[in-house]
Amino acid sequence: GAVVSQHPSRVICKSGTSVKIECRSLDFQATTMFWYRQFPKKSLMLMATSNEGSKATYEQGVEKDKFLINHASLTLSTLTVTSAHPEDSSFYICSARADRGEETQYFGPGTRLLVL
Amino acid sequence: RKEVEQDPGPFNVPEGATVAFNCTYSNSASQSFFWYRQDCRKEPKLLMSVYSSGNEDGRFTAQLNRASQYISLLIRDSKLSDSATYLCVVNRTGGFKTIFGAGTRLFVKA
Repeated sequence: GAVVSQHPSRVICKSGTSVKIECRSLDFQATTMFWYRQFPKKSLMLMATSNEGSKATYEQGVEKDKFLINHASLTLSTLTVTSAHPEDSSFYICSARADRGEETQYFGPGTRLLVL
Repeated sequence: RKEVEQDPGPFNVPEGATVAFNCTYSNSASQSFFWYRQDCRKEPKLLMSVYSSGNEDGRFTAQLNRASQYISLLIRDSKLSDSATYLCVVNRTGGFKTIFGAGTRLFVKA
């Protein structure tokens, strides 16, 4: 199956700092990538849809100035959590959809963010 | 009402048992359907797609009922390794929106 990587896998930071998370599709091109957040024992919540070469589409309630998304190429999307606060601590997962007519999403391994 | 609803469980079953999960969706514009499996503190992994004609993959059988707007997953001969959270996933047309159910937790015991 298709492979999606995320980096870093785990990050601990102080409140007020910014954290960048990278999502890469390793063996396929992905025009569209998705960013999710998951709190413990809760479902994945879509934060935004990242489109290569254009602005991301954010879900209702997600602050686009706080969660900056850049889809720089067909294989890379980044999520930057700006001025992180403890309530931003969560499991952030990206996924990518291959540009070959499939509807399947391939998920990255996720990034655990802990803001102290 | 949530757009995709699942029984959160947990389902506690012995090895070898057959267990079934149901999922209902409210948006009739939903186009495609999937079951994902998520292990604790891991990312979701695709288990199988779900088609109107039903599909089977080894011990796993998925069914879709568009008229009643529900999908199901049947696991036969449960293994310890089947213990996980099973996520019902629905893709909507128009902008390709994916909706995840909250998941059903399964514990298979020896």
